[in-house]
Amino acid sequence: EIVLTQSPGTLSLSPGERATLSCRASQSSSSTYLAWYQQKIGQAPRLLIYNGSSRAPGIPDRFSGSGSGTDFTLTISRLEPEDFAVYYCQHYGGPPYSFGQGTKVEIK
Amino acid sequence: EVQLVDSGGNLVQPGGSLRLSCGASGFTFSYYWMSWVRQAPGKGLEWVANIKQDGSEKYYVDSVKGRFTISRDNAKNSLFLQMNSLRVEDTGVYFCARGRGANYLYYYGADVWGQGTTVTVSS
Repeated sequence: EIVLTQSPGTLSLSPGERATLSCRASQSSSSTYLAWYQQKIGQAPRLLIYNGSSRAPGIPDRFSGSGSGTDFTLTISRLEPEDFAVYYCQHYGGPPYSFGQGTKVEIK
Repeated sequence: EVQLVDSGGNLVQPGGSLRLSCGASGFTFSYYWMSWVRQAPGKGLEWVANIKQDGSEKYYVDSVKGRFTISRDNAKNSLFLQMNSLRVEDTGVYFCARGRGANYLYYYGADVWGQGTTVTVSS
């Protein structure tokens, strides 16, 4: 079973700044099996990135995913007001399809 | 429009049962893996169960094995989660979600989500 650990727990930034979110897996895995989701309060999650680095349809290019092995990163190049939310990574290489505990991006 | 509508959440006593439903529209339901994901109050996302397109493969998180059953009715474009022997720790919002990619052999994450239905287990 792969356990995902996200850091930091909370990221306090201003609009226009760059956000770098980390997701570390307990064992090495292909980036093919890594997704990132965004969730705003009271809403369902939204798929941002799949296969580690592919943007889902309709996702702005300020969102990018990278990484391999055990370390994966979601980068938001310039934060827009609507980007302040909680972000989760998920591994889907095989059951259980676990999520990380989330990183909250809040306005500084 | 591609849409998933979750329903069936309610207040139930510990040890009770509940059946959640998810109605799909706007896509060919039988082509996709489907999942249930839950979120306890103020907590993160937890994957609960997956089911393959034809129902031939089902997977569960350890904490619900033997108590929850995922199923689907492709003729009615519907996904279900039968929850028995409910515990206080099962409380949360339950989301159904569509697996990404039509006719994929494996589950590759979720690209469409329902709005969620609330399950409260309390005496």
